[in-house]
Amino acid sequence: KAGVTQTPRYLIKTRGQQVTLSCSPISGHRSVSWYQQTPGQGLQFLFEYFSETQRNKGNFPGRFSGRQFSNSRSEMNVSTLELGDSALYLCASSLGLGQGFPNVGKLFFGSGTQLSVL
Amino acid sequence: AQSVTQPDIHITVSEGASLELRCNYSYGATPYLFWYVQSPGQGLQLLLKYFSGDTLVQGIKGFEAEFKRSQSSFNLRKPSVHWSDAAEYFCAVVHSGGYQKVTFGTGTKLQVIP
Repeated sequence: KAGVTQTPRYLIKTRGQQVTLSCSPISGHRSVSWYQQTPGQGLQFLFEYFSETQRNKGNFPGRFSGRQFSNSRSEMNVSTLELGDSALYLCASSLGLGQGFPNVGKLFFGSGTQLSVL
Repeated sequence: AQSVTQPDIHITVSEGASLELRCNYSYGATPYLFWYVQSPGQGLQLLLKYFSGDTLVQGIKGFEAEFKRSQSSFNLRKPSVHWSDAAEYFCAVVHSGGYQKVTFGTGTKLQVIP
């Protein structure tokens, strides 16, 4: 079974531009979460999508958005890039069933997209 | 709000020595707790999880963790460390009602010396 695939692996942008990152989850997984990882802030939750609906959202400005398609693939978009947006963006997929099920919190991560904003 | 704290930013152990990584949680009810590992340039991989029941849980790669409610701790252990265990380790908790909203600790970077 193929793992979580994130594209592109590396990205260099300049301030003010926008960027779209892509994530293909493991086949059969309906939940996709996005995390931002930086040396200073660690891993921070951006949002989670389940069956094309945003189910959870972290404390990020509206410049960060996402969506999920009917095949569970997900994209996240960052508009008006700032220097502080430089980070490793990780996507994680899971079965996404509700609380009480054994797959709660069981995330499968991709290798991430390293975004550098110049 | 639910949170986890990893007091050690960096730990160095000799190959073959035992390992214990600390994690403390803040949560009103019984938490869902996890340990993940991240190798350089990679995403995270789940090592083990605790939901309820037996307080000593076994994971992959020879790791185990013990849930201690009285100490609000969920420490990760391994009896004998291998050089390939060098990585960053994250303790994590799932929010009540938060489905897959996972909050991670700040991580402990493990260095293994020969």
